[in-house]
Amino acid sequence: DTEVTQTPKHLVMGMTNKKSLKCEQHMGHRAMYWYKQKAKKPPELMFVYSYEKLSINESVPSRFSPECPNSSLLNLHLHALQPEDSALYLCASSERTGADTYEQYFGPGTRLTVT
Amino acid sequence: GNSVTQMEGPVTLSEEAFLTINCTYTATGYPSLFWYVQYPGEGLQLLLKATKADDKGSNKGFEATYRKETTSFHLEKGSVQVSDSAVYFCALSDGLTGGGNKLTFGTGTQLKVEL
Repeated sequence: DTEVTQTPKHLVMGMTNKKSLKCEQHMGHRAMYWYKQKAKKPPELMFVYSYEKLSINESVPSRFSPECPNSSLLNLHLHALQPEDSALYLCASSERTGADTYEQYFGPGTRLTVT
Repeated sequence: GNSVTQMEGPVTLSEEAFLTINCTYTATGYPSLFWYVQYPGEGLQLLLKATKADDKGSNKGFEATYRKETTSFHLEKGSVQVSDSAVYFCALSDGLTGGGNKLTFGTGTQLKVEL
């Protein structure tokens, strides 16, 4: 099973709201990723977790706060977002990390609209 | 830095036509190469991959060969179907210092297949 699940599928939030996106995988993968994808653009990497520790933050604004409670779960906490943050947020996982490369498996995404 | 260049879309083909989507890359070292497909309203699905020079990745009738001498990884399919209509992303991956594998994506090529 190569499934990554994400909830919710759609989210509408105001600029003063706090919300969270959730991602789950049961493939035993030890690397998990958050991407942001704007319409008609490729995904942009936001964060990488390796063995439940944040290993890469691609200079993402602090209004996005990632969390990895365990090896299967990845959250993205959202606070005080701007309308330009509206996008498809994709979660991905890979077997592990390091010099060898492992394919990343993507979830279906959460379509976020900030009003 | 790494980069991936894909042919501009959209590409419109008749059903059963031959498909080629060009992809060239610039990278230090020896990256792995991937093709991902994104159907409307969905996340990315790994279509095929190649991890070293002269490797051929194949899946669902799609093929791509890792050509180090021309730094290319062109996607081909002998006979496309309407169900192949989607956006196709070429990507490369290498290991990140500190963990994670960063995917560098091309801009994506939209394919539309008509009856």
